[in-house]
Amino acid sequence: GEDVEQSLFLSVREGDSSVINCTYTDSSSTYLYWYKQEPGAGLQLLTYIFSNMDMKQDQRLTVLLNKKDKHLSLRIADTQTGDSAIYFCAEKSGGGADGLTFGKGTHLIIQP
Amino acid sequence: DAGVTQSPTHLIKTRGQQVTLRCSPKSGHDTVSWYQQALGQGPQFIFQYYEEEERQRGNFPDRFSGHQFPNYSSELNVNALLLGDSALYLCASSFPRADEQFFGPGTRLTVL
Repeated sequence: GEDVEQSLFLSVREGDSSVINCTYTDSSSTYLYWYKQEPGAGLQLLTYIFSNMDMKQDQRLTVLLNKKDKHLSLRIADTQTGDSAIYFCAEKSGGGADGLTFGKGTHLIIQP
Repeated sequence: DAGVTQSPTHLIKTRGQQVTLRCSPKSGHDTVSWYQQALGQGPQFIFQYYEEEERQRGNFPDRFSGHQFPNYSSELNVNALLLGDSALYLCASSFPRADEQFFGPGTRLTVL
């Protein structure tokens, strides 16, 4: 079955760039997503990338996709205290399936 | 423009009871998906409803059932509750086969 793996914690200093990594196993993935979850809240869609792209940039966010290695990353430039949250990587398989498969999430900790 | 709304916010039940959770999709969306997020885990796909029918189902037992109404709102029903059903239940809405799924704030279910 599909599997999405992320490291559990990342600690960065305020103002530095954060890079959150994710690996997935489903070679039929069509879309890959990054969601943000703050304490006690639902999921906020940050950005997503189609599987035939290798990069997408949206303001402070840059997504890189290495389809050969099934590796996805999210870079947050100029990390701020408001970026402190759990970041989930998710993938959507091909074949008309819409259900997303999520990783366990990466806790981003911002040091002053 | 109202986003995805869910009710209730919190719910406490005892083992063996039944529960119904409700979701109203984002304006203009006609597809609703339900996810279960256990503590410290990523969300897991339960099922998706479109045109009042279950279109896709994840790996959940028959105790989990749902319904979609003509106004596209949806209910998730869980019978014979187990302690392990304690989780945050998230609803997401989208257009059918759309790239983006938008999540509600969730319902926190505690089973004692």
